[in-house]
Amino acid sequence: ETGVTQTPRHLVMGMTNKKSLKCEQHLGHNAMYWYKQSAKKPLELMFVYNFKEQTENNSVPSRFSPECPNSSHLFLHLHTLQPEDSALYLCASSQEGTSGLEQYFGPGTRLTVT
Amino acid sequence: QKEVEQNSGPLSVPEGAIASLNCTYSDRVSQSFFWYRQYSGKSPELIMSIYSNGDKEDGRFTAQLNKASQYVSLLIRDSQPSDSATYLCAVHMDSNYQLIWGAGTKLIIKP
Repeated sequence: ETGVTQTPRHLVMGMTNKKSLKCEQHLGHNAMYWYKQSAKKPLELMFVYNFKEQTENNSVPSRFSPECPNSSHLFLHLHTLQPEDSALYLCASSQEGTSGLEQYFGPGTRLTVT
Repeated sequence: QKEVEQNSGPLSVPEGAIASLNCTYSDRVSQSFFWYRQYSGKSPELIMSIYSNGDKEDGRFTAQLNKASQYVSLLIRDSQPSDSATYLCAVHMDSNYQLIWGAGTKLIIKP
């Protein structure tokens, strides 16, 4: 595997379900991100982990729960979601240093909440 | 409030012409600037980074940065139909790990 991978690519879940999104980066980076992308809106940063420590949490509802067990893996645990949470969820990674904040994205998970 | 503004488009350009995409940002102390390309149904792909005033060229792409006027632009020479996509501008404005994103400009290259 190369780059940033995400599973599953598509997910349909009911409002009472619990599911998890998984992200893995093979770039040796030290920071990982979860973004939400809804139609016609800018990318919304949800969580940032730097060296496995959460450094940003942009007022995300508690029904989204991140987990970063090591610098290569990132999870987003979902429970009791709402239909407005339907969106493309993107994982990204970056390396602190001379490259600034170049972020590299995984393919995304298209989430539909019914 | 920190903002990045882009014209949503669509911007329609004939094949072979130069496509010019613009982005303005609100914070004068911004450090790093990025252009991403996003095809429909796909994730954003980094195509250019620029850190200092002036032009940076990479193949058919040129990024231009003017910090005094707080804008960054992307020129695509010899536009091809495969360049049709949404182009996202992102700016690193301070010392944390956040990029501030524009909503993107949809570019259509007409054969």
